[in-house]
Amino acid sequence: GAGVSQTPSNKVTEKGKYVELRCDPISGHTALYWYRQSLGQGPEFLIYFQGTGAADDSGLPNDRFFAVRPEGSVSTLKIQRTERGDSAVYLCASSLFGGGPETQYFGPGTRLLVL
Amino acid sequence: ELKVEQNPLFLSMQEGKNYTIYCNYSTTSDRLYWYRQDPGKSLESLFVLLSNGAVKQEGRLMASLDTKARLSTLHITAAVHDLSATYFCAVGLDSNYQLIWGAGTKLIIKP
Repeated sequence: GAGVSQTPSNKVTEKGKYVELRCDPISGHTALYWYRQSLGQGPEFLIYFQGTGAADDSGLPNDRFFAVRPEGSVSTLKIQRTERGDSAVYLCASSLFGGGPETQYFGPGTRLLVL
Repeated sequence: ELKVEQNPLFLSMQEGKNYTIYCNYSTTSDRLYWYRQDPGKSLESLFVLLSNGAVKQEGRLMASLDTKARLSTLHITAAVHDLSATYFCAVGLDSNYQLIWGAGTKLIIKP
């Protein structure tokens, strides 16, 4: 079946602009995660959704970052007033129920470059 | 704070050789994952290890977990070029869904 998809695959924007990154999880997966990966580093947790609600947003770096999942499927990560330090690969993952020993399945990522 | 350290961070080796990647973590955890990432591609799950002494094998890769030492190893046997990738370990916080990741080990296998 289809895996996790993310759009766009690449996004170039200017400092101060607003961007939206989209994640389409595996059908039927109730848990959805956003991570950020900088060059040469492992992914860094941002936020976790269980269904429509953000169960844990403790990884969001500041209030410029916000994510929604209104219907419990597709999620959008929103970044306001982008800064050059926001440049990274933003990864989305999903799992069947969330938590425990489940495997998280990752999308290909969105490469964000803030000029 | 849970910290995860991998070593080495970079490894270049010849085909046919054996080697081991190490993943140390700083506090108790109930699960450990190994993922593979090819350049520009998504993270692919390799193994999930849940208990002390757990060992899993797939092809030329074998992963093990020692929860007392807070150490996992990924052993590569008779390496082949197709195994060239970056390998990450990730540790789950007890009763939590967050994964804390190592920095990755970039593995290059020369034909």
